[in-house]
Amino acid sequence: GNSVTQMEGPVTLSEEAFLTINCTYTATGYPSLFWYVQYPGEGLQLLLKATKADDKGSNKGFEATYRKETTSFHLEKGSVQVSDSAVYFCALRKNRDDKIIFGKGTRLHILP
Amino acid sequence: DAGVTQSPTHLIKTRGQQVTLRCSPKSGHDTVSWYQQALGQGPQFIFQYYEEEERQRGNFPDRFSGHQFPNYSSELNVNALLLGDSALYLCASSLDTEAFFGQGTRLTVV
Repeated sequence: GNSVTQMEGPVTLSEEAFLTINCTYTATGYPSLFWYVQYPGEGLQLLLKATKADDKGSNKGFEATYRKETTSFHLEKGSVQVSDSAVYFCALRKNRDDKIIFGKGTRLHILP
Repeated sequence: DAGVTQSPTHLIKTRGQQVTLRCSPKSGHDTVSWYQQALGQGPQFIFQYYEEEERQRGNFPDRFSGHQFPNYSSELNVNALLLGDSALYLCASSLDTEAFFGQGTRLTVV
């Protein structure tokens, strides 16, 4: 079946460090891929998305590229801030009528 | 646009009781899905409603049921609550592949 695997956390970085959170997926066809962020005590916010191979999603300095050949959608940011501390979820969805499948989440701590 | 709104935000129930959670979708969105997020885990799909009917269902027992109203709002009902039902319940609405989530209802079963 379809699934998402992302690197386990927590990930602890210093402010202004480079961030990578790895995400790989298993799915038939061409799903849409997403990164969601969850701040403490809150629901999920869509961070970025990509709907086809080689698409790059970007938002708030975060980027992820849909790599069909490696079935990956790694999240990157060049210089993290304390305010980026949150839990990040990689997810996929086959189409608008299908459920969203989430990874287990990666907790990110940014130290000042 | 108010986005997706859920009520209540927090709830404490006793084992064996029943609970109803409510969700109002983002304006214009006709599809509502419910997810359960246990502590430290990713959200798990419960079911999806479209045109007032359950269109898809995840691997949850029949104790979990739902409803969608003509204005697209939705309810999630859980009967015979178990301690393991304690979780954050998230509602999501969508019009295409992008889903928007509410803040969730934190249910604690004691």
